[in-house]
Amino acid sequence: SQQGEEDPQALSIQEGENATMNCSYKTSINNLQWYRQNSGRGLVHLILIRSNEREKHSGRLRVTLDTSKKSSSLLITASRAADTASYFCVAAGNKLTFGGGTRVLVKP
Amino acid sequence: DAMVIQNPRYQVTQFGKPVTLSCSQTLNHNVMYWYQQKSSQAPKLLFHYYDKDFNNEADTPDNFQSRRPNTSFCFLDIRSPGLGDAAMYLCATSRDVRGTYQPQHFGDGTRLSIL
Repeated sequence: SQQGEEDPQALSIQEGENATMNCSYKTSINNLQWYRQNSGRGLVHLILIRSNEREKHSGRLRVTLDTSKKSSSLLITASRAADTASYFCVAAGNKLTFGGGTRVLVKP
Repeated sequence: DAMVIQNPRYQVTQFGKPVTLSCSQTLNHNVMYWYQQKSSQAPKLLFHYYDKDFNNEADTPDNFQSRRPNTSFCFLDIRSPGLGDAAMYLCATSRDVRGTYQPQHFGDGTRLSIL
């Protein structure tokens, strides 16, 4: 299947709040990746977590991975207006499976 | 210092008239991908090249073809565009050992309109 699942589909928060989005997938994976896409632009890689890792941090980003539940979450702390974008998870197993994306709006 | 460059950014073609989209990279990555992305949807992988080895997705229509004449360039050919092919087309690259799927670097896409 081309798409995994992401929730929520859309998220609206105030600047300074945290944003959490979740991703589920169906197959075994080598790694799981998160990307950001600003409107009208290409995707930008944010963070990769390997299947043997449970948590990873990069700046204001925190990613968790639970391979037993086949799920991952992305937390953006202290959000900024510039974080407004769509966020996609990509499960990398024997093929790439994209989540449906979460549209995040950060209001100033 | 653009690393994955897609030209043009906007392309308009007529129904049924062949169109070619181009992608170039300065990263010397061995893998190049083509995606189709429609409004408010996730990118859909059409095919990818692992070096010169072409890998087509099972559900990619025959109307879509690709060429990779060298490491730096990759082309997407749509032989007879239909209205349903109007979309953003994204090119991406990565440096991979086969099957490891390392992070991809994306271009900013070509938005294709069909008249």
